[in-house]
Amino acid sequence: DIQMTQSPSSLSASVGDRVTITCRASQIITTYLNWYQQKPGKAPKLLISTASTLQSGVPPRFSGTGSGTDFTLTISGLQAEDFATYFCQQSYNTPFTFGPGTKLDIK
Amino acid sequence: QVQLQESGPGLVKPSETLSLTCNVSGGSISSYYWSWIRQSPGRKLEWIGYFYYSASTNYNPSLKSRVTILVDTSKNQFSLNLRSVTAADSAIYYCARARTSAGTVGDWGPGTLVTVSS
Repeated sequence: DIQMTQSPSSLSASVGDRVTITCRASQIITTYLNWYQQKPGKAPKLLISTASTLQSGVPPRFSGTGSGTDFTLTISGLQAEDFATYFCQQSYNTPFTFGPGTKLDIK
Repeated sequence: QVQLQESGPGLVKPSETLSLTCNVSGGSISSYYWSWIRQSPGRKLEWIGYFYYSASTNYNPSLKSRVTILVDTSKNQFSLNLRSVTAADSAIYYCARARTSAGTVGDWGPGTLVTVSS
């Protein structure tokens, strides 16, 4: 299985800040990397697919970059509604695997 | 807009079979990829498996010996059976849909909590 790691595991930030979350795959996955946002008590929501494709309705302050094994999710200008947990996931091959998540909370 | 809704027992005894159903509305189950994903109390997400409308299935090898995903196109539903459960199978179970590629899940049900306990 492809192992996914994320850093940091938790992050405190303020509204208006720019934050970056890193995801690493244990082997090359080209750009088969998705990012999800999860709020308490809710299902995950797909934000970005194929490393950098923003999903419809997702604000442009979210962006994703990377290829191969190293990826980043950046949120530019944090809003109150962005405080949540973020997961990366590889869709390169089965079994599809998720990172352990990064919890973003208010400083 | 497709909607998915999980249903099934919230409590299952150890060694028994966990059975859940996902009701799909607003879209036909006869296309795209339909998955089950679970999330443990420690927030770890685990993909269980999916079926594709051409009747192919793909299961996580770690669960493959215990899992079956079945489809009922007449009811626009699909189901999950997980046999011989233990406490480690306690989790929130999500049904989900992927459109463009099997692993890119764009639509999720709200999830249902299943606890394995005697």
